Amino acid sequence: DQQVKQNSPSLSVQEGRISILNCDYTNSMFDYFLWYKKYPAEGPTFLISISSIKDKNEDGRFTVFLNKSAKHLSLHIVPSQPGDSAVYFCAATSFSGGYQKVTFGIGTKLQVIP
Amino acid sequence: KAGVTQTPRYLIKTRGQQVTLSCSPISGHRSVSWYQQTPGQGLQFLFEYFSETQRNKGNFPGRFSGRQFSNSRSEMNVSTLELGDSALYLCASSQGLAGAYEQYFGPGTRLTVT
Repeated sequence: DQQVKQNSPSLSVQEGRISILNCDYTNSMFDYFLWYKKYPAEGPTFLISISSIKDKNEDGRFTVFLNKSAKHLSLHIVPSQPGDSAVYFCAATSFSGGYQKVTFGIGTKLQVIP
Repeated sequence: KAGVTQTPRYLIKTRGQQVTLSCSPISGHRSVSWYQQTPGQGLQFLFEYFSETQRNKGNFPGRFSGRQFSNSRSEMNVSTLELGDSALYLCASSQGLAGAYEQYFGPGTRLTVT
């Protein structure tokens, strides 16, 4: 049962345009959300995060939006650059069974076309 | 600061064999988590070790086990390998328990079971 869902396996965007990557979740106990970026042959690297008490967090070209009522978050990249081409993982944390637990989505492959 | 290192990077084994993967965390990090990445399932959590104790465990069979040493280095062992165990195995380290601290990933070990 996928508690963190990234329903788009891939996305293609023209350089300079906006990239929007979506993530839906089912567990209302998630209290912190993160985005990781992964290049081929490398491990994921942390990109940006948001607490469940906020609805927006911005870091340079990257903005994450959280809609708690819809259990939906999105990552906006503006403007998109060819170097942004990678797989993006959405992750969420919750306190479960006495421990903080991190749950990842299956990833969305972003291709930015020059 | 040196990043998370994993050895070996690539491994080919046959069904029924066992394998041991190694992970050296970032200096000062006390938590090591292990993930299995496959194309259709994304990042699946295996287990987390903190101060030599397993603190959290995912839904994997007992063939998957791990341990952590006093220097925080961790090993993961898979016994009686099956074809379905072919995957990229990632380890991630963090200063504290994974859900409360940002994780830093290694490049992964690509395991192929034939």
